[in-house]
Amino acid sequence: GAVVSQHPSRVICKSGTSVKIECRSLDFQATTMFWYRQFPKQSLMLMATSNEGSKATYEQGVEKDKFLINHASLTLSTLTVTSAHPEDSSFYICSARDPGANVLTFGAGSRLTVL
Amino acid sequence: GENVEQHPSTLSVQEGDSAVIKCTYSDSASNYFPWYKQELGKRPQLIIDIRSNVGEKKDQRIAVTLNKTAKHFSLHITETQPEDSAVYFCAASIMDSSYKLIFGSGTRLLVRP
Repeated sequence: GAVVSQHPSRVICKSGTSVKIECRSLDFQATTMFWYRQFPKQSLMLMATSNEGSKATYEQGVEKDKFLINHASLTLSTLTVTSAHPEDSSFYICSARDPGANVLTFGAGSRLTVL
Repeated sequence: GENVEQHPSTLSVQEGDSAVIKCTYSDSASNYFPWYKQELGKRPQLIIDIRSNVGEKKDQRIAVTLNKTAKHFSLHITETQPEDSAVYFCAASIMDSSYKLIFGSGTRLLVRP
């Protein structure tokens, strides 16, 4: 089945630094990928829709200058958390649609801890 | 935009009993309703989904029902087992080219041995 790889799985950084998270579709091309954020014991909140070759579409309340999304190829989307602060600590999960299977597949997630 | 509500937030059942989780959605244009199971620290795993052209779908011990008129759908797990213990999320989407999913708040299911 479709596989979505997400890297890194865990990252710890200092406050004020930037962190990049990668999301790759391994065996299919994804023109659209989604980035979610999940705080402990809470639901998955959609942050943005990543569109290959064009700007990402951000959900209401998500700062586009803080969460930079780049979808430069059909198999890779990146999320950069800029000037990270402790309140950005969360579980970030990407997903992509495999057109062949017509279902969404999730990456394994990246747990970000900002000290 | 779409809003999905999910109940209950926690559910504790005895092994072998049934568990039912209910969700409502707000956007009548939504036509795809998946259910995900998430274990602690892991990615959500699709367990069953239903599209709006059917009212019920079953896969072994898991079934989902959909009432388009009332805009609600439910997950039914029969003969529960301890390994069913996890957090379950419902979601709703318009099944166009994007597949943008909006999730419910989640139900923590505990199956007592």
